Amino acid sequence: AQTVTQSQPEMSVQEAETVTLSCTYDTSESDYYLFWYKQPPSRQMILVIRQEAYKQQNATENRFSVNFQKAAKSFSLKISDSQLGDAAMYFCGGFMDSNYQLIWGAGTKLIIKP
Amino acid sequence: EPEVTQTPSHQVTQMGQEVILRCVPISNHLYFYWYRQILGQKVEFLVSFYNNEISEKSEIFDDQFSVERPDGSNFTLKIRSTKLEDSAMYFCASSRGTASYNEQFFGPGTRLTVL
Repeated sequence: AQTVTQSQPEMSVQEAETVTLSCTYDTSESDYYLFWYKQPPSRQMILVIRQEAYKQQNATENRFSVNFQKAAKSFSLKISDSQLGDAAMYFCGGFMDSNYQLIWGAGTKLIIKP
Repeated sequence: EPEVTQTPSHQVTQMGQEVILRCVPISNHLYFYWYRQILGQKVEFLVSFYNNEISEKSEIFDDQFSVERPDGSNFTLKIRSTKLEDSAMYFCASSRGTASYNEQFFGPGTRLTVL
């Protein structure tokens, strides 16, 4: 069965510092898609970044980047120059054996200290 | 910027009652989804919908649940006889194409409380 695991229930970082959120997953598929979504207190899910498994290059979006290690089935999110607005729940997820069903991790609560 | 909307934002109902949660997906999107998130737990996939039929559903999506696109804009989730354990946030999402190629855009959610 496909699973996504986020082992850090909560992380905190000083404003302007860098933080890395971990995510591991398990799948027997070779082609799949991984995502990080952010859920601020407003509860709306917002896509942060996506990675196609067939691409070796790590995805980046401004201050957000991933470290995708396919062999280790690891997909961590690095947030550089953390800002107060980054405070949210961060969910790692992926489409593995399905084109429709997004499998989610349990989430990591990110706290930004001013 | 177009967005997915959901109504109501909060629904309170008595156990055994029927509820209908409403969603308006982004207008040029073709694929629609429902997810739920029980407080403090993972987000769980319920169902996906394309071309007026269910394309995939999870084990959670039993006979008590149904989805419908009654007109060109709304996408609804009906729970026929609510149970206490149906209390959760319900998120609607839509995408232009199959999810592996296209981002799923999420609505703000409906908080369902079953008493």
